[in-house]
Amino acid sequence: DQQVKQNSPSLSVQEGRISILNCDYTNSMFDYFLWYKKYPAEGPTFLISISSIKDKNEDGRFTVFLNKSAKHLSLHIVPSQPGDSAVYFCAASLEGNTGKLIFGQGTTLQVKP
Amino acid sequence: SQTIHQWPATLVQPVGSPLSLECTVEGTSNPNLYWYRQAAGRGLQLLFYSVGIGQISSEVPQNLSASRPQDRQFILSSKKLLLSDSGFYLCAWTPGVEKLFFGSGTQLSVL
Repeated sequence: DQQVKQNSPSLSVQEGRISILNCDYTNSMFDYFLWYKKYPAEGPTFLISISSIKDKNEDGRFTVFLNKSAKHLSLHIVPSQPGDSAVYFCAASLEGNTGKLIFGQGTTLQVKP
Repeated sequence: SQTIHQWPATLVQPVGSPLSLECTVEGTSNPNLYWYRQAAGRGLQLLFYSVGIGQISSEVPQNLSASRPQDRQFILSSKKLLLSDSGFYLCAWTPGVEKLFFGSGTQLSVL
């Protein structure tokens, strides 16, 4: 039973437009959420995070939104760039900002020039 | 700066053969260490974590084991591989309460 789900395996957007990656979770006890990005032949790298006490966190072109009532997390990338093409994983924690994370399946983002 | 090394990048093993994947971290001391696995079509799943030498916690029952013989060394092992052990294995570390830093991963195919 997957507690964190990314229901869209892939997403394609045009360069300069907004990319919206979605993530749903089932456990209301999650208290910390993160997004990781993964390029081929590399390990995932941390992108952005949000505590459950917040509903938005912004870092440059990346913004994460948290809707606790809907148990939904989204990552917005504006504007999208070809270098953003990668697999994006959302992850959740029951123990704050620690390494014990539950990951979604990942969404492959392709940004077309 | 801290770096994490994981090898090999790819591995093809027959069913029933043993497994040993090694991970080392440089530039830090007393890291928390983790083994994650991604099976086909699924998210990364935490297999083991360690907060110190000889201290191993298993998150899911399985055919694998982990050991931490030195502060910055984490080893994933199996005595006899199963087909279901195929997947992408990632080692990771944190200094404690902070984001995960991942190695480059090992793609294991059990045939």
